[in-house]
Amino acid sequence: KAGVTQTPRYLIKTRGQQVTLSCSPISGHRSVSWYQQTPGQGLQFLFEYFSETQRNKGNFPGRFSGRQFSNSRSEMNVSTLELGDSALYLCASSLGGTASTDTQYFGPGTRLTVL
Amino acid sequence: SQKIEQNSEALNIQEGKTATLTCNYTNYSPAYLQWYRQDPGRGPVFLLLIRENEKEKRKERLKVTFDTTLKQSLFHITASQPADSATYLCALDGASGGSYIPTFGRGTSLIVHP
Repeated sequence: KAGVTQTPRYLIKTRGQQVTLSCSPISGHRSVSWYQQTPGQGLQFLFEYFSETQRNKGNFPGRFSGRQFSNSRSEMNVSTLELGDSALYLCASSLGGTASTDTQYFGPGTRLTVL
Repeated sequence: SQKIEQNSEALNIQEGKTATLTCNYTNYSPAYLQWYRQDPGRGPVFLLLIRENEKEKRKERLKVTFDTTLKQSLFHITASQPADSATYLCALDGASGGSYIPTFGRGTSLIVHP
């Protein structure tokens, strides 16, 4: 079974731009979560989607948004990029339980650099 | 304030020994605690999940304990191998705005010397 895939793997943007990252979960998984990982803050939960609905949300500004499609694929969008948004963005999928209670399978991440 | 603490200093051990990593937390009452392994440039890999009513859980060479009185989880790797060298993250379910989200520690780097 193919693992979680994320595209693109690397991205360079400038301040003020917006960016969309994509995540394809493991086949049969219905829950997708997104995380931001930085050296300064570590791994932080952004939000979680299940059946096209946001189920949980972390403490990030409204510039960070996401959505999930009927095939469980998910996208996250960051608008008005800031230098501090430079990070590794990770997506994880699980069968259907929440990110806290179910085994999560992480993708390789998208490395975003904001100049 | 809520805090999760893992040793920031790398843990260096010799091959064959047991590695013990610590995860302490304050101002949380987690029902679930997870351990992950992360290699450089890769996403975390799930290892074990333990519930608050479970004192101990094992999987092959791995063992996790969860002491809700001490607010601590210990993660053990027995008969450690150089391939076990990685950063190990603990995560627990923390309250946020009425729901529970996974909150991660900063991780401890384990280096197993041959």
